[in-house]
Amino acid sequence: DVKVTQSSRYLVKRTGEKVFLECVQDMDHENMFWYRQDPGLGLRLIYFSYDVKMKEKGDIPEGYSVSREKKERFSLILESASTNQTSMYLCASRDRASYNEQFFGPGTRLTVL
Amino acid sequence: GDSVTQMEGPVTLSEEAFLTINCTYTATGYPSLFWYVQYPGEGLQLLLKATKADDKGSNKGFEATYRKETTSFHLEKGSVQVSDSAVYFCALRGYSTLTFGKGTMLLVSP
Repeated sequence: DVKVTQSSRYLVKRTGEKVFLECVQDMDHENMFWYRQDPGLGLRLIYFSYDVKMKEKGDIPEGYSVSREKKERFSLILESASTNQTSMYLCASRDRASYNEQFFGPGTRLTVL
Repeated sequence: GDSVTQMEGPVTLSEEAFLTINCTYTATGYPSLFWYVQYPGEGLQLLLKATKADDKGSNKGFEATYRKETTSFHLEKGSVQVSDSAVYFCALRGYSTLTFGKGTMLLVSP
């Protein structure tokens, strides 16, 4: 079974802090994704990565950056957290084949005070 | 750009009722279509998919048919259970990424 794990289920940070959200997958998938999920807005893509050291902006990259130094790990970074970044963050991975599904982690609920 | 529109919820049903959750899409070309489900406290998991027109995806009693003429991919189940209570997301795969609808919450009571 594919497993996507995220470093924390719940996280509370203060405005202005630097925040790291970590995601690890164990299926040697090339593609990895970060989404945020908000009520009434569904899932919105923040960043994705086709392979190690590659990254592409999604629909809402502002205020975020990412790092992919190893194939299995994709990190989302909030350089200076703000209250409007309070959200559920979901990581996903997928192999390179065109129609294969994305596998999601359980999510990190981040609260910025 | 690509977009997915699905009916707003919550949808509230009694156990054994018939379920339909509507989903329509806008996309160039012929995207693959998906339904994902999110149970409380969990991430999303793929429920079913269809990759071309007239394909029917099915899983766990749920079905959806890819209708190109109406650009729709409605989710149906003949008899829902309490354990089906979850949020359901319709999605399409464009060139490289998924575009999701806003999700529809389903609440099934005994």
